[in-house]
Amino acid sequence: DAMVIQNPRYQVTQFGKPVTLSCSQTLNHNVMYWYQQKSSQAPKLLFHYYDKDFNNEADTPDNFQSRRPNTSFCFLDIRSPGLGDAAMYLCATSRGTTGANVLTFGAGSRLTVL
Amino acid sequence: GQNIDQPTEMTATEGAIVQINCTYQTSGFNGLFWYQQHAGEAPTFLSYNVLDGLEEKGRFSSFLSRSKGYSYLLLKELQMKDSASYLCAAMDSNYQLIWGAGTKLIIKP
Repeated sequence: DAMVIQNPRYQVTQFGKPVTLSCSQTLNHNVMYWYQQKSSQAPKLLFHYYDKDFNNEADTPDNFQSRRPNTSFCFLDIRSPGLGDAAMYLCATSRGTTGANVLTFGAGSRLTVL
Repeated sequence: GQNIDQPTEMTATEGAIVQINCTYQTSGFNGLFWYQQHAGEAPTFLSYNVLDGLEEKGRFSSFLSRSKGYSYLLLKELQMKDSASYLCAAMDSNYQLIWGAGTKLIIKP
């Protein structure tokens, strides 16, 4: 089945210790997104790639970086996690960015910061 | 500013019908989405409306009124597995998704 896979599902890190979350897709979608979602809150878009074009949201902290080495993979790097970065990180993909643009989400990576 | 309003929590009985409302304010409009999210899991797509009216898809229906900036998700014949959060998201003129915080639906036997 075509899908979006995130690893790890659960990540525990220490304050300030870098973390990398990964996302892979077999849908051959052009667009890949990273969202941060805290409990009972709306998903917050951090950035997205349209093919190799990187689009950073204006309010995404510099502490968050992303890489998309090829169509299938995308990584989220958190350089110095703080307690406020504890959240569920959702990767999503879509064919394009306009119209009936349905997002397919991965199962998420839950980050705990000690 | 752009925002989405939806109730924080609703409770309904198994077998009943529930309507989850969503109002939106966006700069331009390119459609409204509903996603279902079970606790600790990823959102999954339910429906997309861009024209006024009701779209029916099995037990779930979604309604849109563009003039009122209003949508609702109607769930019929509720089952225990329908217990989840329901996220409303509107697409603005720049094709950006504006997300609501979700409505947590609790189904009681």
